[in-house]
Amino acid sequence: DQQVKQNSPSLSVQEGRISILNCDYTNSMFDYFLWYKKYPAEGPTFLISISSIKDKNEDGRFTVFLNKSAKHLSLHIVPSQPGDSAVYFCAAITQGGSEKLVFGKGTKLTVNP
Amino acid sequence: EPEVTQTPSHQVTQMGQEVILRCVPISNHLYFYWYRQILGQKVEFLVSFYNNEISEKSEIFDDQFSVERPDGSNFTLKIRSTKLEDSAMYFCASTAYNEQFFGPGTRLTVL
Repeated sequence: DQQVKQNSPSLSVQEGRISILNCDYTNSMFDYFLWYKKYPAEGPTFLISISSIKDKNEDGRFTVFLNKSAKHLSLHIVPSQPGDSAVYFCAAITQGGSEKLVFGKGTKLTVNP
Repeated sequence: EPEVTQTPSHQVTQMGQEVILRCVPISNHLYFYWYRQILGQKVEFLVSFYNNEISEKSEIFDDQFSVERPDGSNFTLKIRSTKLEDSAMYFCASTAYNEQFFGPGTRLTVL
């Protein structure tokens, strides 16, 4: 049962351009969403998050957009840099419980110089 | 900057043996988690721990698994009798609020 879906296993963009990573969820109880970045042989690194009461959160080059009616969120990286090349995981929480993270399968981003 | 640490980085064991994976969460965090990632698959929740007890566990976390916070800093995951399918990366995470911070992981290989 995939409650969090990342339908693109990979994405390739040119340095300086925008990277858009997408995520869909099915569980309407999710009310907090996070993006993590992961390099091989390392743990996930927290990147940016958004509460369900917002539709946008921005931090430097990273912006997360949330469309609750469509149960869709996206991560925009602009401008993309080669160091952004990693696997990006979307994750969701239902606040007030154990707050376990439910992860998508990840999208491998490659930023070409 | 405070970080979650995990030891060992790689553990090789024989099927049926017990393993203990160790984690030191960030010191002022109150919620602790174990996740695992089987090669090529997504990161899966195993267990959450708060106030010295399990708050939630997944179907994966059966009687072979246990967690403990033996002192004020360490958080351990024990697998009593390892199976081949337990081979995975095991990640510890901790949080004070919503954003969970992960350790570098322990790669468990069961032969």
